[in-house]
Amino acid sequence: KAGVTQTPRYLIKTRGQQVTLSCSPISGHRSVSWYQQTPGQGLQFLFEYFSETQRNKGNFPGRFSGRQFSNSRSEMNVSTLELGDSALYLCASSLEGQDNQPQHFGDGTRLSIL
Amino acid sequence: EDKVVQSPLSLVVHEGDTVTLNCSYEVTNFRSLLWYKQEKKAPTFLFMLTSSGIEKKSGRLSSILDNKELFSILNITATQTGDSAVYLCAVVRPYKYIFGTGTRLKVLA
Repeated sequence: KAGVTQTPRYLIKTRGQQVTLSCSPISGHRSVSWYQQTPGQGLQFLFEYFSETQRNKGNFPGRFSGRQFSNSRSEMNVSTLELGDSALYLCASSLEGQDNQPQHFGDGTRLSIL
Repeated sequence: EDKVVQSPLSLVVHEGDTVTLNCSYEVTNFRSLLWYKQEKKAPTFLFMLTSSGIEKKSGRLSSILDNKELFSILNITATQTGDSAVYLCAVVRPYKYIFGTGTRLKVLA
């Protein structure tokens, strides 16, 4: 079974631009969560989607948004990029996002802002 | 505010040593606690703990939860260089994982 796939693996952008990251969950998984990982802050929760609906959201500004498609694939978008957005963005999927099912992670997209 | 704290932040040991990693938490609507191992890329799942006092084991790794004192420990016995990684603890509340900042373990040959 293929794991969680994130594309692209690496991105370099400049301040003010916007970026879209993609995540394909494990086949059959319907819950997708996104995280930002930085050396100082660790993994910070961005949002969780299930059946194309956002069920929970972390404490990030509105520049960070996401969506989920009917095939459970998800995208996240960051607009008006800032230097502080440089991070590893991780996506994780689980069957239905219920409490007794572990999330499985992709390898992430490393975003660098110049 | 929900909080997950891991200690120590980093640890250097020699092959064959036993290590104990700690995770304490203050999270409303606690559902479960998970441990992950992160080397260079994706965190990989180790254990999910939902019941207090029941040890989970996998080879040289074991973990236990105390949901009265609100902590968990991850033990690694007979460490090997391949155990070098960041170990992450995550507490689950409805539709959200809250991660600690991790313990960086380095095992020297």
